[in-house]
Amino acid sequence: GENVEQHPSTLSVQEGDSAVIKCTYSDSASNYFPWYKQELGKRPQLIIDIRSNVGEKKDQRIAVTLNKTAKHFSLHITETQPEDSAVYFCAASYSGGGADGLTFGKGTHLIIQP
Amino acid sequence: EADIYQTPRYLVIGTGKKITLECSQTMGHDKMYWYQQDPGMELHLIHYSYGVNSTEKGDLSSESTVSRIRTEHFPLTLESARPSHTSQYLCASSEYGGVRSGVRLNEQFFGPGTRLTVL
Repeated sequence: GENVEQHPSTLSVQEGDSAVIKCTYSDSASNYFPWYKQELGKRPQLIIDIRSNVGEKKDQRIAVTLNKTAKHFSLHITETQPEDSAVYFCAASYSGGGADGLTFGKGTHLIIQP
Repeated sequence: EADIYQTPRYLVIGTGKKITLECSQTMGHDKMYWYQQDPGMELHLIHYSYGVNSTEKGDLSSESTVSRIRTEHFPLTLESARPSHTSQYLCASSEYGGVRSGVRLNEQFFGPGTRLTVL
């Protein structure tokens, strides 16, 4: 089955700086890579996703890059703000039909220092 | 408003009790999932379903069972709760095959979770 590794487990950055979270996956058949944000005491919510036919996707201050050859993908947050503080989870799955649940990374605690 | 609902939100119960965690969605989704998560930690898939009468075990072995008699309802049952079952349980749902109303294939929507404590 799929295995997703996520680093770092904790990331502390100054407000206004950029944050990068990296994930690797093991199953070359995986073709869907979402990122979820989970604030304290709340449910995970999708913030951005990318499919294997795309190398990069951007949505305002958030971007995700995918390197299929190396089997890794990254989340980039620019101009970080206090409300970006949360746990971020990467995930991977195969969306070719008959797919089971997402395989998640272990999460990154992002702390934005004022 | 379309959403995923979980009840109860918090449950404290004694060892040996039978419990059922409820999950309902008004998203019109076919696929539903149960994840187990300790606070701030990784999410482990314990059960999923493609649709009515379909149930599958996930990556993490669990003593719980699930049923899917109605599309919108996916309850999880523990026949005899133990302290090792103490955790947060998150229900989720997604489309299965195709895109409807702009929803992206495979995007999973999560419920608010049930925090279970077994004494």
